[in-house]
Amino acid sequence: KNEVEQSPQNLTAQEGEFITINCSYSVGISALHWLQQHPGGGIVSLFMLSSGKKKHGRLIATINIQEKHSSLHITASHPRDSAVYICAVRQNIGTASKLTFGTGTRLQVTL
Amino acid sequence: DGGITQSPKYLFRKEGQNVTLSCEQNLNHDAMYWYRQDPGQGLRLIYYSQIVNDFQKGDIAEGYSVSREKKESFPLTVTSAQKNPTAFYLCASSRTAYYGYTFGSGTRLTVV
Repeated sequence: KNEVEQSPQNLTAQEGEFITINCSYSVGISALHWLQQHPGGGIVSLFMLSSGKKKHGRLIATINIQEKHSSLHITASHPRDSAVYICAVRQNIGTASKLTFGTGTRLQVTL
Repeated sequence: DGGITQSPKYLFRKEGQNVTLSCEQNLNHDAMYWYRQDPGQGLRLIYYSQIVNDFQKGDIAEGYSVSREKKESFPLTVTSAQKNPTAFYLCASSRTAYYGYTFGSGTRLTVV
């Protein structure tokens, strides 16, 4: 069993829909990251969470440390949101850290 | 603007040849990381470095080597000992364990 599980693996939505992507993990963490990967491969960091909730524009990320679960929500989805969304959990190793990644959720938003 | 530069974006090599992937950052970050991505799998850690002249193996270091002679640079060499080198390689950096990561745009290596 992977240490980080994401669901769903694939998601198709129509423009304007509310989208939720889930992430569950089984290890102790210092933080959880939500990342966005576009078709070219580059990755952009969306959120880093250690508790509670964060909001940036139409994106909202929440985390429940006790339940080891996080969700990424996209409100009023748009075709430009189409990408792979990756959950990664962070564990500290000295002054550096290690990220363990989920396999990603491929989102396609259509007109 | 600060960021991470990976080059080249696409790289083709013949089987049995060593190849070096470049990663440069101008963010003044102490820690740098190399990850490998294969279809249908999450990114996996190859090597990481916390300070200059020091680096540690990650989960899949076999067949790879790195150096960290300068704070800004963390090149990855894919050696002929790596059995399945064809993959997408991502470099990342962070200030310390408590800060966010910055990722490069990746290098897609194809070995034929």
